[in-house]
Order: sequence, then C-alpha cells, then structure tokens
Amino acid sequence: EAGVAQSPRYKIIEKRQSVAFWCNPISGHATLYWYQQILGQGPKLLIQFQNNGVVDDSQLPKDRFSAERLKGVDSTLKIQPAKLEDSAVYLCASISGSYEQYFGPGTRLTVT
Amino acid sequence: GEDVEQSLFLSVREGDSSVINCTYTDSSSTYLYWYKQEPGAGLQLLTYIFSNMDMKQDQRLTVLLNKKDKHLSLRIADTQTGDSAIYFCADNDMRFGAGTRLTVKP
Repeated sequence: EAGVAQSPRYKIIEKRQSVAFWCNPISGHATLYWYQQILGQGPKLLIQFQNNGVVDDSQLPKDRFSAERLKGVDSTLKIQPAKLEDSAVYLCASISGSYEQYFGPGTRLTVT
Repeated sequence: GEDVEQSLFLSVREGDSSVINCTYTDSSSTYLYWYKQEPGAGLQLLTYIFSNMDMKQDQRLTVLLNKKDKHLSLRIADTQTGDSAIYFCADNDMRFGAGTRLTVKP
C-alpha cells in the first residue's frame, strides 16, 4: 500500500510570510497527526484528527498555526505569519484501527 | 507535565548488543512505542508493547517494560552498521523522547 504522502519536501520562507503543508494519509486511516520536529529534538504533537474532527490541539499555537481535514482524508497545516523559531521538520502520520502509526517523509521548513 | 526521557548517545561495536533506555511518567500509558529515524527520513515504527506485557521479542529486537519503575528498554542483538540511526521512544499520547543516537562502529 502507498505510504503517507507530504508536500512540499522543502520550503524556505522569510519571517512573517505564510506557508502551508499538505498531507495525504494512508487510505482508510481515520486518525491523522501533525508533528513539529525541531533539530535535535523528538517530534512534538501539534494536532490530532479523528476523521474530520479535532481530538487534541492543545499544543498547537493557535495564534499562528491552523490545520484542517475537511473531508476526513487529506489535511493541510498552515502557519501565518511564520517566525524564525518555526524552522523545523513538519511530520504527518496516520494510524488505522491498530496501534501502528505510519509517518510521512516530512516537510523541512526554513524561516529566514 | 508528563514527560519521556532518553539518553542521547550510544556507541557500540558491530556484532555487539545495543540497549537503549527510556523513562516515562504517564503511568496510564496503555502502549509504548519504539521508532527509528535515519538521516533525512521520516520515523519508522520498529515495535510497540502493551502495558500488560513485560517483554516482547521480534527477531533481533527485544523490548522490556518495567511498569513499576516506568522504564522501557530496546535491545538490538547482533547490532549492524545499518542499525546506526536515532531511536525514539513514545508513550500512549504520542509524547516522544529526544532520541538516542546509536552509532555502530565496524
């Protein structure tokens, strides 16, 4: 089966600009996660969706970050406006009814 | 708040066993995970263990869970150079440790 797809793979923007990331989970996976991984750290959960509903967004900086999963399949994560400290790899993952979580390759964001 | 901690570095010789340790604070975690991340790649799920188990073996991988001490370990037998990577443990709520960088020397 196809894995979790993410795009773009790399993005460089200036601070205060906006950026959006896209994720297509594995077909049939109801749960989708977005993580932020800063260099040298473990992934930090930003938001969890179950189908098109938000389960947990307690660590999402809502003043600048937003995410949606309108039809319960694809998801987008947006940052507006970006700050230097947002430079990180943004990982998307999906999980089926089992406990196995599959990660995409990530989008590496550099904010200058 | 709840936390997951790991030692940052481990270096072993090829053919030796590697043991990567992790501690967690959330005693309600139903399952705990081990992931592998190679340079420039996403995370790959290696294995997971349910909280009602104290050991799980999968080929060269052995996971030990001590619920009383909230301690999780991953043992890799006959470590190979291809095992060089960063290994993360994570709890039930997808809280990750900072990762242990395993270096395997020939």
